[in-house]
Amino acid sequence: IAGITQAPTSQILAAGRRMTLRCTQDMRHNAMYWYRQDLGLGLRLIHYSNTAGTTGKGEVPDGYSVSRANTDDFPLTLASAVPSQTSVYFCASSGGGPDNEQFFGPGTRLTVL
Amino acid sequence: GQNIDQPTEMTATEGAIVQINCTYQTSGFNGLFWYQQHAGEAPTFLSYNVLDGLEEKGRFSSFLSRSKGYSYLLLKELQMKDSASYLCAVLDSNYQLIWGAGTKLIIKP
Repeated sequence: IAGITQAPTSQILAAGRRMTLRCTQDMRHNAMYWYRQDLGLGLRLIHYSNTAGTTGKGEVPDGYSVSRANTDDFPLTLASAVPSQTSVYFCASSGGGPDNEQFFGPGTRLTVL
Repeated sequence: GQNIDQPTEMTATEGAIVQINCTYQTSGFNGLFWYQQHAGEAPTFLSYNVLDGLEEKGRFSSFLSRSKGYSYLLLKELQMKDSASYLCAVLDSNYQLIWGAGTKLIIKP
């Protein structure tokens, strides 16, 4: 059982390029999330999906888009990357149990030059 | 606005006890979480409190006072492997997690 996987592990990207970060979970969780984590700041929610076919905007959605075609996959796309999007990106999922615990993927370290 | 405050960094000695505090102001409250994050790794779940009081789980305990908007994480019998960042997060009225910036805990021998 893998839990949540993310790809790539790290990426260096030229500004203006398009990039998709992949996230797949095998826990059949309904809810999935994308966060970015920057030094000195807490995890900030970019987009979320409460169930397949639906998505919502988080705290910092600008410059990012997501889709949720099925339960397992939740890709995050940067349409035209900018240096301020340099960050570590974490995908997470939750099964909506009593404590709504979120499980995190290993993260993608993205550098935009 | 919504705000989660916790100390930036703390230092403690191996074998000792340390208490990491968290205060919050959020739009609604549906529970408070503590996560552990080792450098370069993903956060992992430690505890969840939704009612006032102390929840004990082995060497780790978490306390909540909803009236004071306050929680703490208590780590006993500290081990070198406890060196990590500890993240406080509150589930708000929209059932979204609001995260603190984390407390980096340094354990010295």
